[in-house]
Amino acid sequence: AQSVAQPEDQVNVAEGNPLTVKCTYSVSGNPYLFWYVQYPNRGLQFLLKYITGDNLVKGSYGFEAEFNKSQTSFHLKKPSALVSDSALYFCAVRDGAAGNKLTFGGGTRVLVKP
Amino acid sequence: GAVVSQHPSWVICKSGTSVKIECRSLDFQATTMFWYRQFPKQSLMLMATSNEGSKATYEQGVEKDKFLINHASLTLSTLTVTSAHPEDSSFYICSARGIGRYNEQFFGPGTRLTVL
Repeated sequence: AQSVAQPEDQVNVAEGNPLTVKCTYSVSGNPYLFWYVQYPNRGLQFLLKYITGDNLVKGSYGFEAEFNKSQTSFHLKKPSALVSDSALYFCAVRDGAAGNKLTFGGGTRVLVKP
Repeated sequence: GAVVSQHPSWVICKSGTSVKIECRSLDFQATTMFWYRQFPKQSLMLMATSNEGSKATYEQGVEKDKFLINHASLTLSTLTVTSAHPEDSSFYICSARGIGRYNEQFFGPGTRLTVL
């Protein structure tokens, strides 16, 4: 079985400050990890993914995430948050060894205040 | 590339009627399509996985006779909510996965269903 935990329901940050959204995962095989962003009444937009290789993954809109195998974490980061980054963020995992199924975390709402 | 569309983007229907939602991959062939349901302020819950030309695989607790899924071509899957009830009101999101560079899930914009 695979699972994802996003321990924070909401993260508040001032514009210009660093943003971190936490994610930990559990999977039997090799983890394929993803971050998505969702704006109100919209589908999911892909931000970045980790499959293999460099632990630091750079994605869209200035976001990056670091894969940490020992801590089974894949935290999303942005050095300087924008008000327009306010949205719902989902971490997801897929077992690279088995199947198509993506398992999503519960989501973290990010609120960036001007 | 990797654009997935859904139609309609929102629909309101009366209780007891059926509603069909379309999911299309616009610029790639989707060998697998997924249907998710999202309640307000909650995460996405996978309902079913469908491969082109074969029957969908439903997740535990999802009624296959209520949520009919058809994946008739490599670019189109449909979800029909039969005899809809107010508790079926939700945000339905599809995703599509292909091969090669499209070998991950690409998500549609979602369909808001409201059953009166």
